[in-house]
Amino acid sequence: GAGVSQSPRYKVAKRGQDVALRCDPISGHVSLFWYQQALGQGPEFLTYFQNEAQLDKSGLPSDRFFAERPEGSVSTLKIQRTQQEDSAVYLCASSLHMDSRQPQHFGDGTRLSIL
Amino acid sequence: AQKVTQAQTEISVVEKEDVTLDCVYETRDTTYYLFWYKQPPSGELVFLIRRNSFDEQNEISGRYSWNFQKSTSSFNFTITASQVVDSAVYFCALSGTGRRALTFGSGTRLQVQP
Repeated sequence: GAGVSQSPRYKVAKRGQDVALRCDPISGHVSLFWYQQALGQGPEFLTYFQNEAQLDKSGLPSDRFFAERPEGSVSTLKIQRTQQEDSAVYLCASSLHMDSRQPQHFGDGTRLSIL
Repeated sequence: AQKVTQAQTEISVVEKEDVTLDCVYETRDTTYYLFWYKQPPSGELVFLIRRNSFDEQNEISGRYSWNFQKSTSSFNFTITASQVVDSAVYFCALSGTGRRALTFGSGTRLQVQP
């Protein structure tokens, strides 16, 4: 497809379970970002990749959060031992270059609900 | 540290009214970039515009216009003759040479009534 694709669209998990969220960026885009958006709030940065290299993970809230992009295209965000405060929409974005001036293009997000 | 403030939580207007969404930012970067995104109920963030810190020329695109004032650290967004399809949450965001990721404001929910 032409845009950023995220799956699943919705995910419900019980507290303590592990979850994996997938992001397929726009073809050829070098930079990939993950954001977390709580209800009624703006997105907050989690982590950033340039190709397969994770250059910034300063926004990951705990060591239960882990992201990878092994071949420089598809990325997976994994959350281990989920807790209720992890409930949010997880947004993935990609941009063509690493330049800060490049607009980021977002997917529809994965809405995660932890019961 | 970077910060973006959108003081207006929610605005409601009647169709064809003009509306301005405010955005104030803080950054230590000398070169930075400001963005506006639209988030309709479907959830996807749609890129609207980017502004460079060294270019204060205002911009108009159809019914949309943006007023960038470096002296007041503001980047306001005006919709002229609003339409029901403009109903969405609008986010102002900032990136810079010191921080590649976007820093978002908390958003302004715009409701345009028919």
